[in-house]
Amino acid sequence: QVQLQESGPGLVKPSETLSLTCTVSGGSIGNGGAYWSWIRQHPGKGLEWIGYIYYTGSTYYNPSLSSPVTISIDTPQNQFSLQVNSVTAADTAVYYCARWDFSSTTFDFWGPGTLVTVSS
Amino acid sequence: DIQMTQSPSSLSASVGDRVTITCRASQGIRNDLGWYQQKAGKAPKRLIYAASSLHSEVPSRFSGSASGTEFTLSISSLQPEDFATYYCLQYNDYPLTFGGGTKVEIK
Repeated sequence: QVQLQESGPGLVKPSETLSLTCTVSGGSIGNGGAYWSWIRQHPGKGLEWIGYIYYTGSTYYNPSLSSPVTISIDTPQNQFSLQVNSVTAADTAVYYCARWDFSSTTFDFWGPGTLVTVSS
Repeated sequence: DIQMTQSPSSLSASVGDRVTITCRASQGIRNDLGWYQQKAGKAPKRLIYAASSLHSEVPSRFSGSASGTEFTLSISSLQPEDFATYYCLQYNDYPLTFGGGTKVEIK
């Protein structure tokens, strides 16, 4: 059973960089067959896809996001990461990491989510 | 971006009721649509992919259908554990986009 767990600071100051890591267990992110994804949910709101990365390093991002983002992958550590630059209050959200499985075309495994608040 | 318009945004229903939720895509997405269930404070869970295919762990009271750009999630007989928020997701084109959600509450 694949498990994902987000980690990172819960509070970030405006204009700084938000950095989160997702640690994957129960399966190797280097095996292919999946995209490793970040999704966020503003308080009391719906879900927003941020982007995802393949084990080769290929990335797809949502161009509609208000702040620039970067997703990176560390296959030896079985982790992938999210950076959101120059954050504003609009980046306050619960951030989820999730696996997009090619064969079922679905987000099949999710982390529990981590709340990141942008505030001075 | 492909816009997914989900309706209603909320509904009240009783245990045993049949419930229907709709998502309309702003353009054709073939059947590249999934449905997810989210309970308060938890991550979403998958229900349906390819518009009408049920994941193996999902009870058969859930079903999905498609007609052009309109997609429907139905729950044939609402159970207490089904009270949650439901989201559609289109994966036909980037960026992936979710519907706004439908909160199913107890009447």
